[in-house]
Amino acid sequence: SYVLSQPPSLSVAPGQTASLTCGGNDIGTRSVHWYQKKAGQAPVLVVYVNEDRPSGVPERFSGSKSGNTATLTISRVEGGDEADYFCQVWDSSSDHPGVFGGGTRLTV
Amino acid sequence: EVQLVESGGRLEKPGGSLRLSCEASEFNFGDYGMNWVRQAPGKGLEWVAYISATGSVVYYADSVRGRFTISRDNAKNSLHLQMNSLRGEDTAVYYCARANMIRGILGDHWGQGTLVTVSS
Repeated sequence: SYVLSQPPSLSVAPGQTASLTCGGNDIGTRSVHWYQKKAGQAPVLVVYVNEDRPSGVPERFSGSKSGNTATLTISRVEGGDEADYFCQVWDSSSDHPGVFGGGTRLTV
Repeated sequence: EVQLVESGGRLEKPGGSLRLSCEASEFNFGDYGMNWVRQAPGKGLEWVAYISATGSVVYYADSVRGRFTISRDNAKNSLHLQMNSLRGEDTAVYYCARANMIRGILGDHWGQGTLVTVSS
């Protein structure tokens, strides 16, 4: 089954840029989506199809892909961005197609 | 605004059964596939099951296949997860999420979750 790999933690100072990575075989051929998950709250989609942003998500959040790595970039990081971030793909060739990365805890 | 409200979570003994429900509103429920996702204490998000808009296609994670059954009632705008043969490792907050299968998005909107605790 398809595997997405994320570093478990990242720490950045307020105002700096956070780059959260998500690795997977042939990820360049897949649509990658990113979710923000704060404790006690529902997950929120922050980037979809690699780089698009749902309405209401600040422009500070952006997504990209290069090679076998997708990246969620958060510019001018704020305290309110402290959360767990999960990447996700849908592996349509599998009979268990929902795939999440293990998540990265962002500490500000 | 899309609304998803889960219910049915509670404390249950190992080997027992639970049925979770998710009531949907403010969108055309019958046009969307739906997913169940869970998060165990201190763990990441785990996809559990998917059902297509008409209910004709279902998928399950290996960890729940044969024990859990996803279903839906489009006339009542409701999604369900029948959970049998519960185990301690099924302890988690369970979320329902609206899927966007055209883009492969597992959840563009999520409920607030319902807590399932499996313990003797």
